[in-house]
Amino acid sequence: EVQLVESGGGLVQPGGSLRLSCAASGFTFSSYWMSWVRQAPGKGLEWVANIKQDGSEKYYVDSVKGRFTISRDNAKNSLYLQMNSLRAEDTAVYYCARGVYAHDYWGQGTLVTVSS
Amino acid sequence: SYVLTQPPSVSVAPGQTARITCGGNNIGSKSVHWYQQKPGQAPVLVVYDDSDRPSGIPERFSGSNSGNTATLTISRVEAGDEADYYCQVWDSSSDQGVFGGGTKLTVL
Repeated sequence: EVQLVESGGGLVQPGGSLRLSCAASGFTFSSYWMSWVRQAPGKGLEWVANIKQDGSEKYYVDSVKGRFTISRDNAKNSLYLQMNSLRAEDTAVYYCARGVYAHDYWGQGTLVTVSS
Repeated sequence: SYVLTQPPSVSVAPGQTARITCGGNNIGSKSVHWYQQKPGQAPVLVVYDDSDRPSGIPERFSGSNSGNTATLTISRVEAGDEADYYCQVWDSSSDQGVFGGGTKLTVL
């Protein structure tokens, strides 16, 4: 059974940093592109970033470029999102999802709240 | 950047057919994916590559894409289909994923 489990969310002050993790199981993690998608409270889905199987290609939504870094450790079956210079508008549930275009499996999400 | 436009809400009676549109400039040239999200839950992929269904998704869910509009069609709507639905594409000109604003399907 495919499972994606996010962790690392929490309350952080504006300008602060946070690192999200996503533990994958039930499939060959190193064979898939992986993505992060977020959803602000009461709002729609927003694609954030994705990363190729070997980490050689990474893409980001404009609003996080230069602040967020996506990475992965295939030996640990894990996906990460390093978030720096956080803003109030980054407050959202962050989902880890499998796939580069269509996302066929999603985690349950981890809530990031940016507030003083 | 590429913009996808969905109606905020669609209402349909049980047993009828619901059609949810997703508009975008020449969207017919892109592959469109659709997600269902119920309150408090993660999204679920219901249609990918315009019209394909993942395993486990009922045949009542179908998709089409042409010109400037993609459509998710839900036949014989059931109360359990009530949810938010999102379309998504990959914008190759900016190398970014794009979601529509979402449509709330209400089953009357």
